[in-house]
Amino acid sequence: DAKTTQPPSMDCAEGRAANLPCNHSTISGNEYVYWYRQIHSQGPQYIIHGLKNNETNEMASLIITEDRKSSTLILPHATLRDTAVYYCIVAHTGTASKLTFGTGTRLQVTL
Amino acid sequence: NAGVTQTPKFRILKIGQSMTLQCTQDMNHNYMYWYRQDPGMGLKLIYYSVGAGITDKGEVPNGYNVSRSTTEDFPLRLELAAPSQTSVYFCASSYSGSGRGDTDTQYFGPGTRLTVL
Repeated sequence: DAKTTQPPSMDCAEGRAANLPCNHSTISGNEYVYWYRQIHSQGPQYIIHGLKNNETNEMASLIITEDRKSSTLILPHATLRDTAVYYCIVAHTGTASKLTFGTGTRLQVTL
Repeated sequence: NAGVTQTPKFRILKIGQSMTLQCTQDMNHNYMYWYRQDPGMGLKLIYYSVGAGITDKGEVPNGYNVSRSTTEDFPLRLELAAPSQTSVYFCASSYSGSGRGDTDTQYFGPGTRLTVL
């Protein structure tokens, strides 16, 4: 599986956009980029995923660079409830989707 | 739909005791997973199942056993509890694990916090 690199922590003011970067320079052509988040002590929550194209849903946008070596998760209007650990995961294509969670980015949204 | 449910929420065990962590999903998902999360760390895969009657080891299977007799249930068994198994345990499920992305999204339960003393 491709390895991902994320900053350990970030701050964001409430109401502003939160841009969380992820580096996955060894990603292969058939691997997806997934983003999950974990709000304190709860189970991880799926946010979004993508292969090549940028993606948007009701929670966030995912921007993947053309060479696919990095991506950015965008929370357009962060709220205090978005304070969480955000995991960028590159999924291995195989018989089971075994997600490898690193330590993620701890996003702190402040007033 | 309740999604993925786990019981119990909390448990304290003595060294050498046994217990079963229960996990049930009502989304008719084929794939189910067990992860553990130690303080300040990411999740590590213990076991997974691609369907009833089929299970396989993940990254950290030692000290655990699983079975999958139905699509809905995927219990995790600790036979001889050790302090190293103190952790938060998460169960998850997905429709498939084909690697095609869209049907691989994993849905997690609320977790079981286990302490072994």
